[in-house]
Amino acid sequence: AQKITQTQPGMFVQEKEAVTLDCTYDTSDQSYGLFWYKQPSSGEMIFLIYQGSYDEQNATEGRYSLNFQKARKSANLVISASQLGDSAMYFCAMREGARWAGGTSYGKLTFGQGTILTVHP
Amino acid sequence: GAGVSQTPSNKVTEKGKYVELRCDPISGHTALYWYRQSLGQGPEFLIYFQGTGAADDSGLPNDRFFAVRPEGSVSTLKIQRTERGDSAVYLCASSLSREGIQYFGAGTRLSVL
Repeated sequence: AQKITQTQPGMFVQEKEAVTLDCTYDTSDQSYGLFWYKQPSSGEMIFLIYQGSYDEQNATEGRYSLNFQKARKSANLVISASQLGDSAMYFCAMREGARWAGGTSYGKLTFGQGTILTVHP
Repeated sequence: GAGVSQTPSNKVTEKGKYVELRCDPISGHTALYWYRQSLGQGPEFLIYFQGTGAADDSGLPNDRFFAVRPEGSVSTLKIQRTERGDSAVYLCASSLSREGIQYFGAGTRLSVL
């Protein structure tokens, strides 16, 4: 089974509208982290937002929010007030079984296949 | 520099040659990760270091791939006897936080002819 599933290969949104990018995950761990990254055509992976499995509140970072539904194992990214510069590939990722040392958590990320978002003027 | 630095940005080599890819993490970050990204795919984990030691190398595809981080800072990914299937973008990331947020470099695009 896929660890991370992004079912939308491509999404289109009008500038200034909100858009939701879907992500479901599969894990048997109780402690895990969920991440969203943006990858513009330039290729660099840009961190957007993080949600810990024990966090009770949904994470928010500016125009980005994460709709975390633990029972459904979904971690959808919501981008409000889309801008032309939001056009990019978006990846959902999960870290399971983190190691801890000195207040820092460590562990590999497993990424989904990505969703290409296109923002129309 | 402030971010993760990877050199070279592009590397073209011939099948069978040896290559080294370098990653300079964010200063003070103890964790360093290597991923490989093929066209149209998400990054795939290769190896990560916690300090100088490889904490998890389960993603290395075979024994042609090797990575080191001798002083706990800069890391080098080494690929022997390159094959055309090794062509990809190799991404490096580093982290130092409670959440373990990984910050990525711009990658090295490896092309094996």
